[in-house]
Amino acid sequence: EADIYQTPRYLVIGTGKKITLECSQTMGHDKMYWYQQDPGMELHLIHYSYGVNSTEKGDLSSESTVSRIRTEHFPLTLESARPSHTSQYLCASSDREGPYNEQFFGPGTRLTVL
Amino acid sequence: KNQVEQSPQSLIILEGKNCTLQCNYTVSPFSNLRWYKQDTGRGPVSLTIMTFSENTKSNGRYTATLDADTKQSSLHITASQLSDSASYICVVSDRGSTLGRLYFGRGTQLTVWP
Repeated sequence: EADIYQTPRYLVIGTGKKITLECSQTMGHDKMYWYQQDPGMELHLIHYSYGVNSTEKGDLSSESTVSRIRTEHFPLTLESARPSHTSQYLCASSDREGPYNEQFFGPGTRLTVL
Repeated sequence: KNQVEQSPQSLIILEGKNCTLQCNYTVSPFSNLRWYKQDTGRGPVSLTIMTFSENTKSNGRYTATLDADTKQSSLHITASQLSDSASYICVVSDRGSTLGRLYFGRGTQLTVWP
């Protein structure tokens, strides 16, 4: 089991609220990622980071923002949640260079916006 | 367009039986192919990773094969157990960036009945 943690695991919140999804890893990995996954669908990359002070947008456009002030911490923030943001959010990290570059995933946060 | 297609979409088998899941991809240039297991409400966990030069890899009762010429992979599960019930996701990585971009299939939902 990889040492990557996400909190909260489940969140139900009303429209317009600001939320922050936490992601932490204790493996010292430089690269971290946020994915969005709807039921029965593939994972979509929404944000990634090569290291401290590095953040990039992924393939899927998202109204969320991220920050990377510390290596181990990569929080995702929604300033004003909407029902369209309802989804599962998965955080991942990787470190090894070369052909494998395996990504380790956290358990995910299931977000429901009413 | 880089794509990963999996079949079947869902599969039900009896405990103790074997099954094979399929993955076809068009990702280029190819770096590696991974199979992940994702339990309901959890993050994906890596089962196998294969590079271009590897055509088979085993992890316990899981055996993955790769045909890089036809761009096809399969995951064979032997003597299935109830705990094998999960979504199995085929993921292909390209060599086009230092990020090691991942392309996800939608998964095969496997249900093992007693």
